[in-house]
Amino acid sequence: EPEVTQTPSHQVTQMGQEVILRCVPISNHLYFYWYRQILGQKVEFLVSFYNNEISEKSEIFDDQFSVERPDGSNFTLKIRSTKLEDSAMYFCAAQGRGTQNLEGYTFGSGTRLTVV
Amino acid sequence: QKEVEQDPGPLSVPEGAIVSLNCTYSNSAFQYFMWYRQYSRKGPELLMYTYSSGNKEDGRFTAQVDKSSKYISLFIRDSQPSDSATYLCAMKGDYKLSFGAGTTVTVRA
Repeated sequence: EPEVTQTPSHQVTQMGQEVILRCVPISNHLYFYWYRQILGQKVEFLVSFYNNEISEKSEIFDDQFSVERPDGSNFTLKIRSTKLEDSAMYFCAAQGRGTQNLEGYTFGSGTRLTVV
Repeated sequence: QKEVEQDPGPLSVPEGAIVSLNCTYSNSAFQYFMWYRQYSRKGPELLMYTYSSGNKEDGRFTAQVDKSSKYISLFIRDSQPSDSATYLCAMKGDYKLSFGAGTTVTVRA
């Protein structure tokens, strides 16, 4: 399967600052997801996005978080005012065709966010 | 009760041994059961997925699902040092994946 590219690979930001994490799926990906993994903990679902709207979100995905796909290619996760506990690996995933197509559920390599 | 439970290990085995990994779950709505491999600071990589109860083989890997017991397993035969990684079970209902904590496996040469 074609790759999902995430940028930056590592970002350090000060507490209270806004960050934008970017994901570049390929053109035939239809469903987009963000997950996070705090160091030493499990991968946690944040949000799913289809047809330019959120289809499901977790309780972690509060008002500080937002997602969009403004130009039809990049899929972004914005954290408005970062907190120390937002430090984690953030993974984008994308999927083509039907939601049953698990082999096409491709994860990016992640962005390591460090809030200081 | 956690939605997906997985013993984090670590698990250390000699080369050539069988690696046995398992997860339990509580949500009956899960329809798809996956195993991912994850290397340090990398994204999860799908190894295998199954839909129904039973066994599925792919080379040295065998995945088992027992929906009645809400229990899934992954077996790695003839393990190699290159199999050393963290193995994550994951389960899917509609959209999202629910992951286990991951088991760190080391295969000693």
